[in-house]
Amino acid sequence: AQSVSQHNHHVILSEAASLELGCNYSYGGTVNLFWYVQYPGQHLQLLLKYFSGDPLVKGIKGFEAEFIKSKFSFNLRKPSVQWSDTAEYFCAVRMDSSYKLIFGSGTRLLVRP
Amino acid sequence: GAVVSQHPSWVICKSGTSVKIECRSLDFQATTMFWYRQFPKQSLMLMATSNEGSKATYEQGVEKDKFLINHASLTLSTLTVTSAHPEDSSFYICSARGGQGDNQPQHFGDGTRLSIL
Repeated sequence: AQSVSQHNHHVILSEAASLELGCNYSYGGTVNLFWYVQYPGQHLQLLLKYFSGDPLVKGIKGFEAEFIKSKFSFNLRKPSVQWSDTAEYFCAVRMDSSYKLIFGSGTRLLVRP
Repeated sequence: GAVVSQHPSWVICKSGTSVKIECRSLDFQATTMFWYRQFPKQSLMLMATSNEGSKATYEQGVEKDKFLINHASLTLSTLTVTSAHPEDSSFYICSARGGQGDNQPQHFGDGTRLSIL
């Protein structure tokens, strides 16, 4: 069955540390890839997305993600996190031409000031 | 940016009651709306997809008669949990997308926390 895995459920970092959150999916066809962020008490917001072209995608707030097709991965990175990055991060995959999004289980990031 | 409003944000009711949740796109026309369910510490699970003016497409394992979805206009979809029981307690989230292109993103509501006593 198609699935999306986020292996880190909880991550705690100090400010200015670098961040990398893993996302892997299981599907051999064409995919569109997304990272969403949910700040405390707020709705899901799109951080970045990959459809085609350059596999290194830049998003808002200094985030980026790299699509590595051979590894079925789309890891999220940020060189230097801030306290305001404390949130839950969801990876999502859309497979072929379907509009359906399949979400990973989420990663809770806590950045200590 | 595009705004999706979900109402109510929290509802508590007795077992056996039917509960209606509204999802509105405030500044765009939502050709497709999605309903998700999220259990504590788990991912969002898609329940159904609805296109304006047509019947919703339910995911495997989701009871159509239990979770009634209506998408009567381009700005409003409703989810009715009929005869709700404690096991239906969960966080329900809607999202909406406009247009037909593949690049159209989904915009999410704030979610509705449903607690059945």
